[in-house]
Amino acid sequence: RKEVEQDPGPFNVPEGATVAFNCTYSNSASQSFFWYRQDCRKEPKLLMSVYSSGNEDGRFTAQLNRASQYISLLIRDSKLSDSATYLCVVGGSGTYKYIFGTGTRLKVLA
Amino acid sequence: SAVISQKPSRDICQRGTSLTIQCQVDSQVTMMFWYRQQPGQSLTLIATANQGSEATYESGFVIDKFPISRPNLTFSTLTVSNMSPEDSSIYLCSVENLEGGNTIYFGEGSWLTVV
Repeated sequence: RKEVEQDPGPFNVPEGATVAFNCTYSNSASQSFFWYRQDCRKEPKLLMSVYSSGNEDGRFTAQLNRASQYISLLIRDSKLSDSATYLCVVGGSGTYKYIFGTGTRLKVLA
Repeated sequence: SAVISQKPSRDICQRGTSLTIQCQVDSQVTMMFWYRQQPGQSLTLIATANQGSEATYESGFVIDKFPISRPNLTFSTLTVSNMSPEDSSIYLCSVENLEGGNTIYFGEGSWLTVV
């Protein structure tokens, strides 16, 4: 089993749609969780950290479910500019090591 | 967030040659990380570079193939040695921001194509 697993997609959604991605992780001792966005031929950029209580940033909502060991990202009112690959990243406790998922591709269609 | 500059941004290299990638950070950082992202794949950590000590390599990566330097707290280099087409990849330098959540930030990457 991979340490961090994501559905590679692509998710093709119309503008204005709501879309959700999940990511599962295998190490129950993981402490840090993030979503990164990577545009084609660009470096990954931090989208948002994921906190235990869940957090929201504009149209984006991230949630953590420790019992089931997954994190989620919800995007509301999708824009064309949201088209990208979304990487789930999990960090260990007291360690620098971050494990990246393979990413989920999102294509928002006009 | 830290500003991370990498060069070269891209290069086409001949098989058997070596290339050194430079990473400059605008602030002092304890650890710098080198990742590789092969086509269609996710990021894989190559090694962690601490100033004043030898780099720590992840499983599957060795110093002879990927020598790393870390001469000071703002600079590191990664060399890809004796390149083969399988080394065609994006190489990314990153640093950890310890303020507000242990997030990591990346340089713009070095896109290497080995022919």
